[in-house]
Amino acid sequence: QVQLVESGGGVVQPGRSLSLSCSPSGFTFSNYAMHWVRQAPGQGLEWVALISYDGTTKYYADSVKGRFTISRDNSKNTLFLHMSSLTTDDTAMYYCTRAPNLYGGSFSDYWGQGTLVTVSS
Amino acid sequence: EIVMTQSPATLSVSPGERVTLSCRASQSISSNLAWYQQKPGQAPRLLIFAASTRATGLPARFSGSGSGTEFTLTISSLQSEDFAVYYCQHYNNWPPTWTFGQGTKLEIK
Repeated sequence: QVQLVESGGGVVQPGRSLSLSCSPSGFTFSNYAMHWVRQAPGQGLEWVALISYDGTTKYYADSVKGRFTISRDNSKNTLFLHMSSLTTDDTAMYYCTRAPNLYGGSFSDYWGQGTLVTVSS
Repeated sequence: EIVMTQSPATLSVSPGERVTLSCRASQSISSNLAWYQQKPGQAPRLLIFAASTRATGLPARFSGSGSGTEFTLTISSLQSEDFAVYYCQHYNNWPPTWTFGQGTKLEIK
């Protein structure tokens, strides 16, 4: 069955960087676009970034553009989110999700359990 | 920018009741709408896409309808496991757009 397992979350100071990973299984990773979606404590869902199946197309929410970088390594079956210049507003659970197509202009059909990022001094 | 507005914010209902959740788009989004369910401490789960298509394995008591700017998610007979927060999401291929509503919390009356 499809599984997405995020890792890399933790406590980080404002202004610092952190990288998240997502390890998929149960499907051919290189055939799907992937998203990162986040959820601040007690709040709703916010889409963060998208990467196409081959990594050539990437989109970002305005709130993270220029600070976050989404990438993937299809040979290692891994999705990444590199986050820099972190602020307290970036504190959230970060979910890796799959889009059921190549370029991602769609909903998310599978979600990981998330990894918690806390930005605090 | 398209804004998705869900109503009500909280809905108190009894098991066995029929419930309808609403989601409104600030402009027409055709049928590019999904619904997700999120239980406490869990990741969201896809329920409906393309406004009315049920995700694999979703019980038939869940149904989605609407197009343009007005959408609804109906649960025909609430079960105890259905009490959760429900989010609607607009998605678009081009320009790439993903916008969530603020959620409706379904709680036990």
